Amino acid sequence: RKEVEQDPGPFNVPEGATVAFNCTYSNSASQSFFWYRQDCRKEPKLLMSVYSSGNEDGRFTAQLNRASQYISLLIRDSKLSDSATYLCVVNVGNTPLVFGKGTRLSVIA
Amino acid sequence: EAGVTQSPTHLIKTRGQQATLRCSPISGHTSVYWYQQALGLGLQFLLWYDEGEERNRGNFPPRFSGRQFPNYSSELNVNALELEDSALYLCASSLSIWGSTNTGELFFGEGSRLTVL
Repeated sequence: RKEVEQDPGPFNVPEGATVAFNCTYSNSASQSFFWYRQDCRKEPKLLMSVYSSGNEDGRFTAQLNRASQYISLLIRDSKLSDSATYLCVVNVGNTPLVFGKGTRLSVIA
Repeated sequence: EAGVTQSPTHLIKTRGQQATLRCSPISGHTSVYWYQQALGLGLQFLLWYDEGEERNRGNFPPRFSGRQFPNYSSELNVNALELEDSALYLCASSLSIWGSTNTGELFFGEGSRLTVL
């Protein structure tokens, strides 16, 4: 089983739509969780950390379910500029971050 | 403040040759990570250096090696290049993972695109 699994997509959604991405991780000892965003042919950048209680940053909401080893990202009111690949990232203690392959989102006008 | 810088931006080599990629971390960051991103694949962890020492190594053959210099910059060497080594090589830096101020955020450079013919 892969350490971090994501649906590769692509998710093609119209502007203004709400879209949700899911991610599962295999290591129950995982401690920190993140969503990174990677634009086409660019480097990944941190979008948001994911906290146990769930957290929101503007139109973006991240949730963590430790029991199911599941992380989600919800994007409300999608913008054209949200088109990118969203990477689910997991950290197990003092080890390098483990990246999922990413979910590609395309927001269409 | 300067971000993570990598060189060269693009590199073309032939099978069997050797490639050297370079990375300068953000000032104050002591941890440097190397990831490989091949077409259609996710980021695969290669190497992690912190305070001049190799802390962890991914599931790659020994022909992938590197080092970190006293100024915390780093070099990735790939010997005996194979066609499947063609990829984007991303370097990232962070505060030392051993420090309480480390948030787990990695700051990536724009990458070095290696093409092996």
